[in-house]
Amino acid sequence: SAVISQKPSRDICQRGTSLTIQCQVDSQVTMMFWYRQQPGQSLTLIATANQGSEATYESGFVIDKFPISRPNLTFSTLTVSNLSPEDSSIYLCSVVFGGGQETQYFGPGTRLLVL
Amino acid sequence: QKEVEQDPGPLSVPEGAIVSLNCTYSNSAFQYFMWYRQYSRKGPELLMYTYSSGNKEDGRFTAQVDKSSKYISLFIRDSQPSDSATYLCAMGSGNTGKLIFGQGTTLQVKP
Repeated sequence: SAVISQKPSRDICQRGTSLTIQCQVDSQVTMMFWYRQQPGQSLTLIATANQGSEATYESGFVIDKFPISRPNLTFSTLTVSNLSPEDSSIYLCSVVFGGGQETQYFGPGTRLLVL
Repeated sequence: QKEVEQDPGPLSVPEGAIVSLNCTYSNSAFQYFMWYRQYSRKGPELLMYTYSSGNKEDGRFTAQVDKSSKYISLFIRDSQPSDSATYLCAMGSGNTGKLIFGQGTTLQVKP
C-alpha cells in the first residue's frame, strides 16, 4: 500500500510566525486535501489542493491564512500564517488514489502548538 | 443541527463483547459512507466504506447503512483490547471528495 508522510510531525511555534507543513505520497494521487482536527473535535476540511492551480477553500478558510501549493501529483504544502494560539491543532493531509472518493486515506498528521 | 451526529462516548466494553457504533445524518444527498479508526497520536485509518443501504462485512467488522432512516452503524464482533481507539464516521457526495465527519466515538475494550 502507498505511504503518506507529513513533515514536521509536530512543532511548537510562537504567535505571529508561520509554519509550512509538507505532505508527500510515494505514488501518484488524483486528489489531495488538507484537514484540521482541533483538540477534542472532529476533522474539518480546510481546502482541496489542486495541481498547478489555486486551492479550493471551504467556508471559513481563506488563502491568506492557509496558502496551499501542489506542484505535482505526489506533493503538497499547507502554510498556516500569522499563528495564534487558536491555530493549535492537528493538520492532516488526505489523498484519493484514483478509485472513488470513498477511498480517502490520511497522513499521520502534524501537531501544532502555538504559544 | 450538525450534518452528522455521533455520540462521543466514551464507550467501555469487556473483551469479547459486540460493539455498536452509530451515526445519524441530516443530508439526504450523502452517497458514500465510511468508518475510520484513529489511534492516539495517529492519523485516521480507513476501515470500511459503502455506498448503498444494507450490510457490508469485513472480518470482525460490519458496516450497516439505512438511508431511509439516515442512520449508519459499525459493529465490531469479538472486540479486542487492540480495538481501543476513536472511531469516526464520515460521509460524502458527488465527486468533490469533500467528507463530513462525525465527532468520533472513543472506545475502550478492557481485557
